[in-house]
Amino acid sequence: AAGVIQSPRHLIKEKRETATLKCYPIPRHDTVYWYQQGPGQDPQFLISFYEKMQSDKGSIPDRFSAQQFSDYHSELNMSSLELGDSALYFCASSLIGGLGYEQYFGPGTRLTVT
Amino acid sequence: SQQGEEDPQALSIQEGENATMNCSYKTSINNLQWYRQNSGRGLVHLILIRSNEREKHSGRLRVTLDTSKKSSSLLITASRAADTASYFCATVITGRRALTFGSGTRLQVQP
Repeated sequence: AAGVIQSPRHLIKEKRETATLKCYPIPRHDTVYWYQQGPGQDPQFLISFYEKMQSDKGSIPDRFSAQQFSDYHSELNMSSLELGDSALYFCASSLIGGLGYEQYFGPGTRLTVT
Repeated sequence: SQQGEEDPQALSIQEGENATMNCSYKTSINNLQWYRQNSGRGLVHLILIRSNEREKHSGRLRVTLDTSKKSSSLLITASRAADTASYFCATVITGRRALTFGSGTRLQVQP
């Protein structure tokens, strides 16, 4: 079965640079979520989109923005990167009209800011 | 953690033993889910229990939910070395769909 695809899997950037992470949800899933997991920490919700509209917002810094496109893929744009942005970034997708709120996670993008 | 704590933070057992992890949360929830994460890798959904359910089973997994105590437990029976991972509980707060994760339990199963 198709899973959530994230790219790139690894990314190394320098401070003050920008980064763009991409997420391709499971086909027919209508909701995409972004989470950030720092080293040794639990995942923290950043932002979500339902049918291409922002549906919920968590602890996403103002330096970050995201959007969902007409083909349902989503991009997380990160600017003025800081050392503290080094983390695993997960995308998850779900089908709101489905059995429940199970979210299916991608493998993550490991961002290292030097 | 934003939502609650997991207990214990780390657990080491022998293969064949049972492992029990507990999770507490703070707010009213729609459902509670358990996820597994192998070191530095993606999160795998294990089981979901709704707020009006008290117990649920899936294979070697048994989850309980006590909404009056705002707590849940995950029991893994007859553990295997391959169960070694971090286990997170995550809640869906009433009115929202995003997951709020607990701090996780690192389970080590010794062969």
